[in-house]
Amino acid sequence: EVQLVESGGGLVQPGGSLRLSCAASGFTFSSYEMNWVRQAPGKGLEWVSYISSSGSTIYYADSVKGRFTISRDNAKNSLYLQMNSLRAEDTAVYYCARESPGRIYGMDVWGQGTTVTVSS
Amino acid sequence: DIQMTQSPSTLSASVGDRVTITCRASQSISSWLAWYQQKPGKAPKLLIYKASSLESGVPSRFSGSGSGTEFTLTISSLQPDDFATYYCQQYNSFPLTFGGGTKVEIK
Repeated sequence: EVQLVESGGGLVQPGGSLRLSCAASGFTFSSYEMNWVRQAPGKGLEWVSYISSSGSTIYYADSVKGRFTISRDNAKNSLYLQMNSLRAEDTAVYYCARESPGRIYGMDVWGQGTTVTVSS
Repeated sequence: DIQMTQSPSTLSASVGDRVTITCRASQSISSWLAWYQQKPGKAPKLLIYKASSLESGVPSRFSGSGSGTEFTLTISSLQPDDFATYYCQQYNSFPLTFGGGTKVEIK
């Protein structure tokens, strides 16, 4: 079964750090491009970051640039999001999502999400 | 950045109704548009990619059309399982952007 499972969310104080993980199974992880997408409580979807299959190409939303770092370990079938200098507005459910090679099909597989709460 | 504008933001409809949701891009995105369905507490689910291609396993009552800047998602006959929020998303260029969502409610 194709599956993505996020972990690492929790409660953190403003200015703090968290590292999210996304474990992939059921497909050849190293062939797929990956994204992080978040959803603040009661709000819509917001794309956060993208990483190519090899890790050589990375993009960030302006709202997280300079504070978040995306990475992947293809040997461990894992995607990561290092989040530093967290703000209240980073409070959201964070999803990892798979994109097809060549980015033709959109985000076809999503994890269940992990919740990040930034509050004192 | 490409802005995606969905309308309406809320839609009240009955089972069996034909429903149409519109998504407009602030500049041309060719056909690089996806539609997702999201139910409360769940992850989004891909319905349509490349503006009009139906994702495997998605019922044929869902269809997408459009290119350039104007796109529509149509549900031909609304079913009880279809009451949810729908999002469009462009993947023509980074930053990837989503529409604000359309909540389909029971009338």
